[in-house]
Amino acid sequence: DIQMTQSPSFLSASVGDRVTINCKASQNINRYLNWYQQKLGEAPKLLIYNANSLQTGIPSRFSGSGSGTDFTLTISSLQPEDVATYFCLQHNSWPFTFGSGTKLEIK
Amino acid sequence: QVQLKETGPGLVQPTQTLSITCTVSGFSLTSYYMQWVRQTPGKGLEWMGFIRSGGSTEYNSEFKSRLSISRDTSKNQVFLKMNSLKTEDTGVYYCARESGFDYWGQGVMVTVSS
Repeated sequence: DIQMTQSPSFLSASVGDRVTINCKASQNINRYLNWYQQKLGEAPKLLIYNANSLQTGIPSRFSGSGSGTDFTLTISSLQPEDVATYFCLQHNSWPFTFGSGTKLEIK
Repeated sequence: QVQLKETGPGLVQPTQTLSITCTVSGFSLTSYYMQWVRQTPGKGLEWMGFIRSGGSTEYNSEFKSRLSISRDTSKNQVFLKMNSLKTEDTGVYYCARESGFDYWGQGVMVTVSS
């Protein structure tokens, strides 16, 4: 199985800060990596698909990069409504696997 | 718009069978894969399996022996059944759409306890 190592587990940043979250795959997953935002009690929301494609309706401050084994989610200017848990998903091959999540809070 | 909603029993006894229904709207099950994912305190997010638009299934080997996914396209519903439940199966169960997991339901909390 492909292991997804996500870091950091917890992140505290100020409004307006640039924030980055990373996922590392244990083997090549090409660009089959999605990023999600999950707020308490809500359905996970797709932010970025296939490593760097912005899902329709998602603000442009969210971006994704990477290919192969190393991937990054960037929030260019953190907003209060971005408080949530973020996780990655590899869908290159099954069993599909997830990162362990990053809890993002505002300082 | 696309919507997915899971419904389930809430509380299940150990060794019993879990049955969850995912009811969808805004798209056709004959055009999209449907996935099942769960989130447990012990293992985090785990992919369980999917049913293809054509009706065939694939399962995570972690669950293969006790998991079944099926659907009723006329009712826009997808079903998860898992038997021989253990306390470690306590968690939130989600359905999600497509091979790219683009839309998810809110999830249903399942507690396995006597």
